[in-house]
Amino acid sequence: DGGITQSPKYLFRKEGQNVTLSCEQNLNHDAMYWYRQDPGQGLRLIYYSQIVNDFQKGDIAEGYSVSREKKESFPLTVTSAQKNPTAFYLCASSVFDNNEQFFGPGTRLTVL
Amino acid sequence: EDQVTQSPEALRLQEGESSSLNCSYTVSGLRGLFWYRQDPGKGPEFLFTLYSAGEEKEKERLKATLTKKESFLHITAPKPEDSATYLCAVGVAGGTSYGKLTFGQGTILTVHP
Repeated sequence: DGGITQSPKYLFRKEGQNVTLSCEQNLNHDAMYWYRQDPGQGLRLIYYSQIVNDFQKGDIAEGYSVSREKKESFPLTVTSAQKNPTAFYLCASSVFDNNEQFFGPGTRLTVL
Repeated sequence: EDQVTQSPEALRLQEGESSSLNCSYTVSGLRGLFWYRQDPGKGPEFLFTLYSAGEEKEKERLKATLTKKESFLHITAPKPEDSATYLCAVGVAGGTSYGKLTFGQGTILTVHP
């Protein structure tokens, strides 16, 4: 079955630590996206990548970093510079010339 | 600045009571309006894409419509399993915004039996 997988489902981090969230897709989609969702708020775009080895900052990129070395994978690192990292993180992908984005199940990050 | 506003924030319905959710948008150039359903603790599930004013799409008890300024998601004779948060998003045409979606804050729908 084609789809998007995210791991882990739950992640706990101590203050000052960097953590990396995994996102893999086997839909053969060119573009991949990372969003953050906070209670009562819409999704906010962190980073996106339209092609391998290229990515752009979204609306709230500060304190985050990404890489896109393979078409299937788009990991997100939450660095210690991110002041309020506790949130629900969603990864999505789409065909390059189509805005229809399909989402993974999400990772809930909690800073202790 | 591109903006998407959804109303109401929350909607409670009795089973079988039809209603509509609203999504108002302001964008420089619309490249699609998208509706998603999100269950608690899960990723959004794609429902519909609308590209031009006057377009309509249907799926089971849901019908989405689009004008130049807003979209409606009509729910006919809802069932408790339709309870979820419904998200609206717009795609913007051109430039470095290619592929990006701007989301509204969502409408939480609760359908009571």
